[in-house]
Amino acid sequence: KAGVTQTPRYLIKTRGQQVTLSCSPISGHRSVSWYQQTPGQGLQFLFEYFSETQRNKGNFPGRFSGRQFSNSRSEMNVSTLELGDSALYLCASSPEPPGHPNYGYTFGSGTRLTVV
Amino acid sequence: QKEVEQNSGPLSVPEGAIASLNCTYSDRGSQSFFWYRQYSGKSPELIMFIYSNGDKEDGRFTAQLNKASQYVSLLIRDSQPSDSATYLCAAIKGDSSYKLIFGSGTRLLVRP
Repeated sequence: KAGVTQTPRYLIKTRGQQVTLSCSPISGHRSVSWYQQTPGQGLQFLFEYFSETQRNKGNFPGRFSGRQFSNSRSEMNVSTLELGDSALYLCASSPEPPGHPNYGYTFGSGTRLTVV
Repeated sequence: QKEVEQNSGPLSVPEGAIASLNCTYSDRGSQSFFWYRQYSGKSPELIMFIYSNGDKEDGRFTAQLNKASQYVSLLIRDSQPSDSATYLCAAIKGDSSYKLIFGSGTRLLVRP
């Protein structure tokens, strides 16, 4: 059974550019969430999608956006990159909808974004 | 106050000992709690989840939940050097958002 797949694994971008990260959830998982992980801030929630609808959003600026497709694959986009956006971006999927007592994420390997 | 708090550690235990990792949360409405293990350079891996008061055992791991004290813990019995990692506690928020909020993690070192 394939896990959560994130592409690309590594990315180097220049300040001011934009970037799109991709996530393919485990087959059958309809809930996809995105997190940003940095040494100083830990795992910070970005947003969550369920059945193509954004259910939840974290406290990030509007430069961070995402979407989910009908096959549950998800993308997140960061526009006008800043040096502080350098981080590990993690995608996670869950088989249950939000609110299910067994709601738990399986994480992908992440995309390491470096902004120079 | 952080929503989910953990001691950053490192917590150092000898091989074969019991490692006890603790977590407190501020949202009384939180119902489900998770423990993840993260090795350096890797993504978090789900170890256990718990949503009922009391203990839940899975192999060498036991999760404990006390909703009255807003306290979650993870016990690792017969600790092995391979258990050395950062352990992340997470809670689903009690509001309608159902966000999964993580603590900053506790680094565990198991000495051979």
